[in-house]
Amino acid sequence: SQQGEEDPQALSIQEGENATMNCSYKTSINNLQWYRQNSGRGLVHLILIRSNEREKHSGRLRVTLDTSKKSSSLLITASRAADTASYFCATDARGTSGSRLTFGEGTQLTVNP
Amino acid sequence: NAGVTQTPKFQVLKTGQSMTLQCAQDMNHEYMSWYRQDPGMGLRLIHYSVGAGITDQGEVPNGYNVSRSTTEDFPLRLLSAAPSQTSVYFCASRAYMGGNSPLHFGNGTRLTVT
Repeated sequence: SQQGEEDPQALSIQEGENATMNCSYKTSINNLQWYRQNSGRGLVHLILIRSNEREKHSGRLRVTLDTSKKSSSLLITASRAADTASYFCATDARGTSGSRLTFGEGTQLTVNP
Repeated sequence: NAGVTQTPKFQVLKTGQSMTLQCAQDMNHEYMSWYRQDPGMGLRLIHYSVGAGITDQGEVPNGYNVSRSTTEDFPLRLLSAAPSQTSVYFCASRAYMGGNSPLHFGNGTRLTVT
């Protein structure tokens, strides 16, 4: 079963608006990561937030983490058409042989020009 | 640096055939892994390795074999392909097996089993 679950599954907004995606997970984690995937390509890492951090920024991205609620959110401000992609959260938890990343099903973001 | 390189990009197999998906990284990463991506299922971990000679199973290992003889290479073998293995396969690596580092992905292999 998937550790992370993204919400919503799909999001359509106009250029210039903000986009917020949420991720919930079930077990204790070392960190949580967000990735982006353009159609037909591999995933690209966006941002990593450690379990002892509550908020992190990178350019137009803002990530929050609430370990008490086991949830995270990704905010993309002033969206652009080029932000159209699928976004995945991944939880990093310790396994039997080192840590392993478990991905959610993703949010499909469409930014309309 | 080329990063993570996967070959082939596309492959069509008949049921029962075998093949190996190749993955190589030139970043001297300890950790390598294979995921499959299916519509509505996200990415699911097949196998992973924390170093040469060490492999472990992920969520969906059945039907797949792996080995890690060198730091650079982590091939995925399908011994007897089944239609349920039709998917997009991604290889990914990271610097530290202990976590707190991002995964670097290849561009995927799209496999169809008829």
